[in-house]
Amino acid sequence: SQTIHQWPATLVQPVGSPLSLECTVEGTSNPNLYWYRQAAGRGLQLLFYSVGIGQISSEVPQNLSASRPQDRQFILSSKKLLLSDSGFYLCAWGRNTEAFFGQGTRLTVV
Amino acid sequence: DAKTTQPPSMDCAEGRAANLPCNHSTISGNEYVYWYRQIHSQGPQYIIHGLKNNETNEMASLIITEDRKSSTLILPHATLRDTAVYYCIVRGSSRGKLIFGQGTELSVKP
Repeated sequence: SQTIHQWPATLVQPVGSPLSLECTVEGTSNPNLYWYRQAAGRGLQLLFYSVGIGQISSEVPQNLSASRPQDRQFILSSKKLLLSDSGFYLCAWGRNTEAFFGQGTRLTVV
Repeated sequence: DAKTTQPPSMDCAEGRAANLPCNHSTISGNEYVYWYRQIHSQGPQYIIHGLKNNETNEMASLIITEDRKSSTLILPHATLRDTAVYYCIVRGSSRGKLIFGQGTELSVKP
C-alpha cells in the first residue's frame, strides 16, 4: 500500500533562518506531488505541484521554493524565513482520481 | 479548473443526514467533482468524486445535478466524528492541480 511521510511534525524557527521540509512517498511511482500551506483559520493554499522529477510549478510568488530530486521525494525550502511563513504545511501525492495527504508540519516563525 | 462556491458553515444533528451543497456553474465537460474533508489539525481526507452520475461509497453519497452546475454531498447518518471542514473541488485531468476553496465547516451536534 502507498504511504506518505512528512517531517518534522512541528518546527519553531527564528526569522531569517533557512527551512527544509521533506516529504517522501512509498508504494507508487511517478506520482503528482503537492505542497500546501494553511494559515491559522484559513483554507488550503497550493504552493507547488510537480508531475515529475525536476518539474515544479509554483502557484504563488513567495519566499519559498520546492525541488523534486527523486521520483518520490519532494522538498520545500526557504533561504530566509519570514514571520508570514508561519502555518501548517501539507505534502500530498496524487494518482488518477485521488490525493493523499501527509500529517503536516506546523511551522512557527518567531 | 472551475471555481466552486460553498456555504461557510452548517449544523447537523447527530444521526441525521448532512447535506452539503456546492455550486460549480462554470464546470466543463471533462471536469470531475471531488469532495475532501479536513478534521482539525489533520491533512485532508478524500471522500468521493464523480463526473455526472450519482456516486455512493462507504463514507457518503454524491448527487450531481443533470446540468452538472451543482452537487450535494450526503452523509446519511452524521456522527460527531464527522465534524470537519468539507471541500468541494472541481478538477480536470488526473494530472491537474487540486485547488481547495474555503469549504464548509460542518458541526455535528448531539
